Order: sequence, then structure tokens, then C-alpha cells
Amino acid sequence: DVKVTQSSRYLVKRTGEKVFLECVQDMDHENMFWYRQDPGLGLRLIYFSYDVKMKEKGDIPEGYSVSREKKERFSLILESASTNQTSMYLCASGRGSTNEKLFFGSGTQLSVL
Amino acid sequence: DQQVKQNSPSLSVQEGRISILNCDYTNSMFDYFLWYKKYPAEGPTFLISISSIKDKNEDGRFTVFLNKSAKHLSLHIVPSQPGDSAVYFCAASARGGSEKLVFGKGTKLTVNP
Repeated sequence: DVKVTQSSRYLVKRTGEKVFLECVQDMDHENMFWYRQDPGLGLRLIYFSYDVKMKEKGDIPEGYSVSREKKERFSLILESASTNQTSMYLCASGRGSTNEKLFFGSGTQLSVL
Repeated sequence: DQQVKQNSPSLSVQEGRISILNCDYTNSMFDYFLWYKKYPAEGPTFLISISSIKDKNEDGRFTVFLNKSAKHLSLHIVPSQPGDSAVYFCAASARGGSEKLVFGKGTKLTVNP
């Protein structure tokens, strides 16, 4: 089974802190994604990556950056956390072909106080 | 502009009855559709998918129907079980979109014993 592991289930940070969310997948997938889930808004794509060192903006990239130095690892960075970034963050990976499903991690519930 | 719409935020059904979850889309480039199921504090898990060359796909108690002319798909769960209580997300990807999924806002299904 594909495993997508997110480093933390719950995080509490203060406004202005730099926050790193880590995600590792073990299936040699080409594609990796970061979504956030908010009540009533569904899942919204923040950033995605089709290859090592490649990144593309999703629908809501403002306030975020990403890093993909190794194929299995995709990090989401909040340069200066704000309260409106309190959310459930979900990492996903996929093989990189059309008509394929994504595999999601368990999520990180981030609270910014 | 919401490209994938789930207009019912919630649905409640009795155990043993049919659950029907609906999804509409606006982008005619979408050609692959998926349903994900999400329990609280967990990541979404893939449930079932359908390609635009089909109008029905079945997997056990779950059936997805696609009406391309109406840009509408639905997920039928028969019979519904209490363990099916979760949030269901409809997602779509476009030709050549290579897994970049666009999600609806989700429908919370409650199956009452």
C-alpha cells in the first residue's frame, strides 16, 4: 500500500512564526501536492510539484512556499504564519499519469494563535 | 468560480436505504471524476472513479453515474451503513491534467442506525 506520511498530526504556532510541514511518500511517485481543507470550502490546492526541484502554484499560493529537494519529500513552508492559515493541511502524491487517483496523508491540523 | 459543485452540504439517511450524493461541474475539459471519503482527523481515501468514456461504474455497494450532457455525476450507496457516515468529496481532472484534481466542497453523509 502507498504510504503518505505527514510529520505532525497537530501543530500550534504563534503569529509570525516560520512553519514547516513535511510530507514523505514511499511509492516513488512523480507528483506531490499540498491542499488545505476548511469547513464549507472543501479542498483547495496550494502548490504542486511534478518533479524534483519543480513547483507550480495552485489556486491559493499566497503566504506559502514549497520545497522539493528529493523525490519522496515535499515540504510546505509558511514564511510568517497568520491566523487565517489555521487549517487542516493535506499532502497527496500520485504516479504522474492521467486518470490516476491521488493518495493522501492523514493531514496536519495547524492552529495559528 | 467553482468548477466542481456539491450543492448539498449534508445528507441524512436511514441504515439500509440508498444514499445519493450529487455533483455538478462546469469545465467541459474535465474527463475523469473521482469520489473520496473523509473521516474527521484523517486524510481523504479514494472510493471510486469514472472516466468520461463511461456512464456508470460499480464497485460493491458504490456506483457512480456520469451524465456528460448535464455535466452531472452522482454517487449511489446501497445499502447505506452507519460506517459510511463521513464527508464525501467529488473531484475532477482535465485532459492532460496529470492528477491535478479540483474538488467540490463536500457533502457530509450521516447514516442513522
